[in-house]
Amino acid sequence: DQQVKQNSPSLSVQEGRISILNCDYTNSMFDYFLWYKKYPAEGPTFLISISSIKDKNEDGRFTVFLNKSAKHLSLHIVPSQPGDSAVYFCAASDTDSWGKLQFGAGTQVVVTP
Amino acid sequence: DARVTQTPRHKVTEMGQEVTMRCQPILGHNTVFWYRQTMMQGLELLAYFRNRAPLDDSGMPKDRFSAEMPDATLATLKIQPSEPRDSAVYFCASGSVGSGGGFTGELFFGEGSRLTVL
Repeated sequence: DQQVKQNSPSLSVQEGRISILNCDYTNSMFDYFLWYKKYPAEGPTFLISISSIKDKNEDGRFTVFLNKSAKHLSLHIVPSQPGDSAVYFCAASDTDSWGKLQFGAGTQVVVTP
Repeated sequence: DARVTQTPRHKVTEMGQEVTMRCQPILGHNTVFWYRQTMMQGLELLAYFRNRAPLDDSGMPKDRFSAEMPDATLATLKIQPSEPRDSAVYFCASGSVGSGGGFTGELFFGEGSRLTVL
């Protein structure tokens, strides 16, 4: 039972343009959401997070938006750079299950010159 | 540079053999997780520990998998007997609850142990 879904397995974007990654969740108990980035042969690394009390969080080129009513979040990367080429995982948790992250299947982003 | 260390990085074994994967969490982190990544399931949680006590291992096949944390610097995941369907990358991650009990959300992952069971 996939509680976190990333319906786009891949995304190709030109360098300098905006990358938009989407994520949907089904569990209304989730109140903390995270994005992780993964390069081949490495473990996932934390990118950015957002609490359910907010609808936007920004960190440099990365912005995460949360729409609780739609159970949807998105990650915007602008401008996209070649080093952003990686797999991006959306994850969710509730504060009662600290760290018990439910991950989406991931979206492979390729940034082309 | 604090990091989560996993061994072995790669393991090829035959069906029926015992496999043990080890993880050294970041010093001071009180929560350790085992995740498995497969093409079909993505990243799935197998088990996790807080202050060395197992909190949840519901994601783990109980008949063949076992996870332990014999001390604060070592977590182990054992598969006995191994089967071809266990082939995956196994990740260990660690994190720490904030001093106020808050959830920072950031887990630190190791580089993973790639297991191939023939």
